[in-house]
Amino acid sequence: KAGVTQTPRYLIKTRGQQVTLSCSPISGHRSVSWYQQTPGQGLQFLFEYFSETQRNKGNFPGRFSGRQFSNSRSEMNVSTLELGDSALYLCASSFSTATTEAFFGQGTRLTVV
Amino acid sequence: AQSVTQPDIHITVSEGASLELRCNYSYGATPYLFWYVQSPGQGLQLLLKYFSGDTLVQGIKGFEAEFKRSQSSFNLRKPSVHWSDAAEYFCAVAGGGNKLTFGTGTQLKVEL
Repeated sequence: KAGVTQTPRYLIKTRGQQVTLSCSPISGHRSVSWYQQTPGQGLQFLFEYFSETQRNKGNFPGRFSGRQFSNSRSEMNVSTLELGDSALYLCASSFSTATTEAFFGQGTRLTVV
Repeated sequence: AQSVTQPDIHITVSEGASLELRCNYSYGATPYLFWYVQSPGQGLQLLLKYFSGDTLVQGIKGFEAEFKRSQSSFNLRKPSVHWSDAAEYFCAVAGGGNKLTFGTGTQLKVEL
């Protein structure tokens, strides 16, 4: 059974640009959550999608957005990149929207220069 | 609001020694608790979880954790540490749904 796949693994972007990250959950999982990990703030919840609907949102500015497709794949977008957006972005896949185990991908390392 | 405290930022143990990583949580109702491990540059791997029932839970790689409601704790233990256990360990709580609140992590170093 394939795990959670995140693409790309590494990205370098310039301030002011926008970026899109992709996450393919485990087959049969319909919930996808996104987290930002930085040395200063640790692991912080961005949002959760289930059945193409955002179910929960963390405390991040509107520059951070996401969506989920009918096949459960999810994308997150960050517009007008700032240096502070440099982080490891992790995607987690869960079977349902009720609390279950979350399985994480290897992450996308975003560097903003 | 839910929160998790991992009081130890770094811990060093000798290979073969026992290990206990501390985790305290704050949540009004019965929490869902997790321990994850992260190797450098990698994602998070689930070690074990507590949802209800037996307060001593077994996980992968020989890890176990004990839920103590009276102390709001969910400490992770391993009787004999291996050099490959060196990594960062995160405790997390979910209050409903899949939103996880993580602690700041404990970096484990294993001396040979």
